[in-house]
Amino acid sequence: DADVTQTPRNRITKTGKRIMLECSQTKGHDRMYWYRQDPGLGLRLIYYSFDVKDINKGEISDGYSVSRQAQAKFSLSLESAIPNQTALYFCATSTGTGELFFGEGSRLTVL
Amino acid sequence: GENVEQHPSTLSVQEGDSAVIKCTYSDSASNYFPWYKQELGKRPQLIIDIRSNVGEKKDQRIAVTLNKTAKHFSLHITETQPEDSAVYFCAATAYNQGGKLIFGQGTELSVKP
Repeated sequence: DADVTQTPRNRITKTGKRIMLECSQTKGHDRMYWYRQDPGLGLRLIYYSFDVKDINKGEISDGYSVSRQAQAKFSLSLESAIPNQTALYFCATSTGTGELFFGEGSRLTVL
Repeated sequence: GENVEQHPSTLSVQEGDSAVIKCTYSDSASNYFPWYKQELGKRPQLIIDIRSNVGEKKDQRIAVTLNKTAKHFSLHITETQPEDSAVYFCAATAYNQGGKLIFGQGTELSVKP
């Protein structure tokens, strides 16, 4: 089945370290998104990309950067991780007309 | 930009009762309103959605209603079952936003046997 795959699924790191979360998809969708989930705050949009040459900031982009290496790959980087970036991160894809398809999530803990 | 508020944050019902979750949105241009269910440890998955040209949509035990004038939309679950226990998220977007969904804060529904 076509899917959205995130790596790593779990990561523990220390303050100040650089972290990359990777997302790849076999759905053939052009549009890809990174969301962050925190209890009581829902899913907040970090960055989104409508194609390889189009990248946009979302609601909470400070402290994050992204790279769209190919239509199927969209990576999220934390250049210098801090404890309040501890969260569950989801990558998602869509055709742009409706449903988002989420990956399984990457749980990041920053000590 | 769009802002979505969701209430309540937690909801506990007895099996067989109905559950209602409400959301409000701020951007009058929004015209697509999906609901996602996230079971414990799983990814969010779409359960039902509604577009602005429709006031109500049903799918078996779940229904969504939309009041564009008041900028409100609601999820209704009837005859709740323990497997309905999950976190539910509402969201909103406009077609010209290219699928950029803005989510509510989530409602943790607990259905007690």
